[in-house]
Amino acid sequence: GIQVEQSPPDLILQEGANSTLRCNFSDSVNNLQWFHQNPWGQLINLFYIPSGTKQNGRLSATTVATERYSLLYISSSQTTDSGVYFCAAGGGYQKVTFGTGTKLQVIP
Amino acid sequence: DTGVSQNPRHKITKRGQNVTFRCDPISEHNRLYWYRQTLGQGPEFLTYFQNEAQLEKSRLLSDRFSAERPKGSFSTLEIQRTEQGDSAMYLCASSLGGISSTDTQYFGPGTRLTVL
Repeated sequence: GIQVEQSPPDLILQEGANSTLRCNFSDSVNNLQWFHQNPWGQLINLFYIPSGTKQNGRLSATTVATERYSLLYISSSQTTDSGVYFCAAGGGYQKVTFGTGTKLQVIP
Repeated sequence: DTGVSQNPRHKITKRGQNVTFRCDPISEHNRLYWYRQTLGQGPEFLTYFQNEAQLEKSRLLSDRFSAERPKGSFSTLEIQRTEQGDSAMYLCASSLGGISSTDTQYFGPGTRLTVL
């Protein structure tokens, strides 16, 4: 099955800083999603982005499918951005494989 | 739209007992997924349904695990003869499905299982 790797595993930011999270996947994908898991465990979908670029407020994501990677950009970070960010990828439109996540801590 | 709900939120059981979890998806969603998440790991796919049909099961889903989605609405996940290794967060997600290629998954809050 598809392998998903995320980097960095841990990230500490000062409030207001920008960051880039990376997701590498081992095969072509028709389904790639970014999620944020808050400190209470709730997974929130951020982007559905098997290719191209999307933006939502301070967050944006870019997937370069031909090179098998996706990037999540967080600008002007806030303490509420803390948590774990997961990338999930799949060759089909249904089943996805999650990476091990990037744990982000934003300090005031 | 009340989101995906799961019950119970927490379950503590003794080894060898059977447990059942329930997931209520977003009402118009055709696809329903079950995942398991252990500490420090990403969610692992267990199974998924398209309406009432169970279309794929992971090798992680041993014969002690069974999932159903009668009438294509809510789903149940049962674990028989629980083992300590079954302790985890069990997550349910749903998606619209259909012919759209944009199939965002929406997750419930999860059921945390502790097997003593």
